[in-house]
Amino acid sequence: ETGVTQTPRHLVMGMTNKKSLKCEQHLGHNAMYWYKQSAKKPLELMFVYNFKEQTENNSVPSRFSPECPNSSHLFLHLHTLQPEDSALYLCASSQDSLAGSYEQYFGPGTRLTVT
Amino acid sequence: GQQVMQIPQYQHVQEGEDFTTYCNSSTTLSNIQWYKQRPGGHPVFLIQLVKSGEVKKQKRLTFQFGEAKKNSSLHITATQTTDVGTYFCAGLGANDYKLSFGAGTTVTVRA
Repeated sequence: ETGVTQTPRHLVMGMTNKKSLKCEQHLGHNAMYWYKQSAKKPLELMFVYNFKEQTENNSVPSRFSPECPNSSHLFLHLHTLQPEDSALYLCASSQDSLAGSYEQYFGPGTRLTVT
Repeated sequence: GQQVMQIPQYQHVQEGEDFTTYCNSSTTLSNIQWYKQRPGGHPVFLIQLVKSGEVKKQKRLTFQFGEAKKNSSLHITATQTTDVGTYFCAGLGANDYKLSFGAGTTVTVRA
């Protein structure tokens, strides 16, 4: 157990649905991240938040909408997704948001399938 | 932007043998991290290397950072079944401070 929880663990949604992924960290960290992990591809950093402020958006399509109400919670709102968006979505946290300067603690991930 | 390449993509190892996985960046890195992801699990931080030529050991795992800070390696001795998983490197660009993950080396062990 890394202190980072994610819900739901599995999600199947149609292309017209709207759903949200939730992440919570109990480590007192200031930075939180969303990653996408697809088969046979490197981990893709999607968004970075530091002290609730978004500091990085790596050209992610607008059908993915992050929300960070406080340093402990991070959401990823999903709408009108495409089948190629099916992947494992990982949340991570670290002491600070200079990604790569501090070790990141990953949650168990949400396995998303878009039908 | 920088690219981080990892080789090999797959490593099939006989239990008790040694192996090495390599990580190469197209640009100079500020530091490099290594993570391990067990099958069905999530990445877990192993180590961070910062200094040119740095070598760190964790039991049977030896991590190296190249002199030019553009490559790194992970060497595992006397492989055990507990070493099964995918090992990722993640490099922080020295100029743009962008973190890039390699695609990982997936290790399987023959008993």
